[in-house]
Amino acid sequence: GNSVTQMEGPVTLSEEAFLTINCTYTATGYPSLFWYVQYPGEGLQLLLKATKADDKGSNKGFEATYRKETTSFHLEKGSVQVSDSAVYFCALSRSNYQLIWGAGTKLIIKP
Amino acid sequence: DGGITQSPKYLFRKEGQNVTLSCEQNLNHDAMYWYRQDPGQGLRLIYYSQIVNDFQKGDIAEGYSVSREKKESFPLTVTSAQKNPTAFYLCASSIDGAGNTIYFGEGSWLTVV
Repeated sequence: GNSVTQMEGPVTLSEEAFLTINCTYTATGYPSLFWYVQYPGEGLQLLLKATKADDKGSNKGFEATYRKETTSFHLEKGSVQVSDSAVYFCALSRSNYQLIWGAGTKLIIKP
Repeated sequence: DGGITQSPKYLFRKEGQNVTLSCEQNLNHDAMYWYRQDPGQGLRLIYYSQIVNDFQKGDIAEGYSVSREKKESFPLTVTSAQKNPTAFYLCASSIDGAGNTIYFGEGSWLTVV
């Protein structure tokens, strides 16, 4: 069946460090892939998405590339800020009714 | 401003009571959803609705009920049959169910006391 696996958190980094949060998936066909972010006490916001292989989604300095050969969609940012502290969710879908969510990765950025 | 409004933000319920969480959207979206989030866990789908007067069970529908009488409204009732209702509840919507972006409300915290 379809599934999404994220690296366990929390991930703790110093400000201006390079960030990678790993996300791998299993699915048949060509699902769309998403990263959502959840700030403390709030709902989720779409961070970026990719709809086909080799697509790169980007937003607010974050990037993720849809790698079909490695079934991955790792989230990266070159220089993190304290304000990036949040929980990040990887998800895949072929339709919104079949969204599959990862467990989330908590990111803590220390000044 | 367009968006999804959930209310109340915080709700306390006594055991044996039903409570209803409100969700309103002014995005003119056809599809709406309710998710449950427990600490340290991902999201689990409770119910979804593709169109007015239609809704379907998600993965954890037992103990919950919904209605979709208007396009902009999708209230969730947590009934006394839900054995462990304390959680963070998220309402969401999308233009349709064809893989388009889902937009979330700010969530409602329900605590059983």
